[in-house]
Amino acid sequence: GQQLNQSPQSMFIQEGEDVSMNCTSSSIFNTWLWYKQDPGEGPVLLIALYKAGELTSNGRLTAQFGITRKDSFLNISASIPSDVGIYFCAGLDFNTDKLIFGTGTRLQVFP
Amino acid sequence: EAQVTQNPRYLITVTGKKLTVTCSQNMNHEYMSWYRQDPGLGLRQIYYSMNVEVTDKGDVPEGYKVSRKEKRNFPLILESPSPNQTSLYFCASSLWGARGAEKLFFGSGTQLSVL
Repeated sequence: GQQLNQSPQSMFIQEGEDVSMNCTSSSIFNTWLWYKQDPGEGPVLLIALYKAGELTSNGRLTAQFGITRKDSFLNISASIPSDVGIYFCAGLDFNTDKLIFGTGTRLQVFP
Repeated sequence: EAQVTQNPRYLITVTGKKLTVTCSQNMNHEYMSWYRQDPGLGLRQIYYSMNVEVTDKGDVPEGYKVSRKEKRNFPLILESPSPNQTSLYFCASSLWGARGAEKLFFGSGTQLSVL
């Protein structure tokens, strides 16, 4: 099945640093979503993007819907220990009504 | 409290021994779905259901069965588990299918090990 490529696969950063991750696809999507999975829990939605070029913030998180509609980016500023987890992107294709998840970025934050 | 409840949280079994993972939601959602999560592969959809008695295959349905006899429940059945089904499983629900993805609620997961 179709998958989205996320990079990096994992990140080890120090508290206070900024983080960037991205998601790319060979197909275009109508909606991009970013989820966070805390250890031992299911994914929770962070940000939803609906239009090419859209830039949306949620606290220290900022995400962008790529102009080509084939990619999306997530930035976390001034990371804190509770940012630890796995971040997933997901693309929604209206034609197939399918939600495709990325491969995930595992984030570790050291004090 | 709105939630998706999966049971059990952890399960260790042996090859070939039938098992069922239960999933229940209390939000009157029409759409329910099962995913498996494997390192480096992200979340992959196993089966989904748009409504009672309506189920369809996702991307990795082989070796799994589901049923949707009631709106709130969507059990995942492994008739003859094999080691390659060792994985972390998530149930999810939403009001309007994948297009309601921004309102997709996930359960806390079931870690399955097949020996």
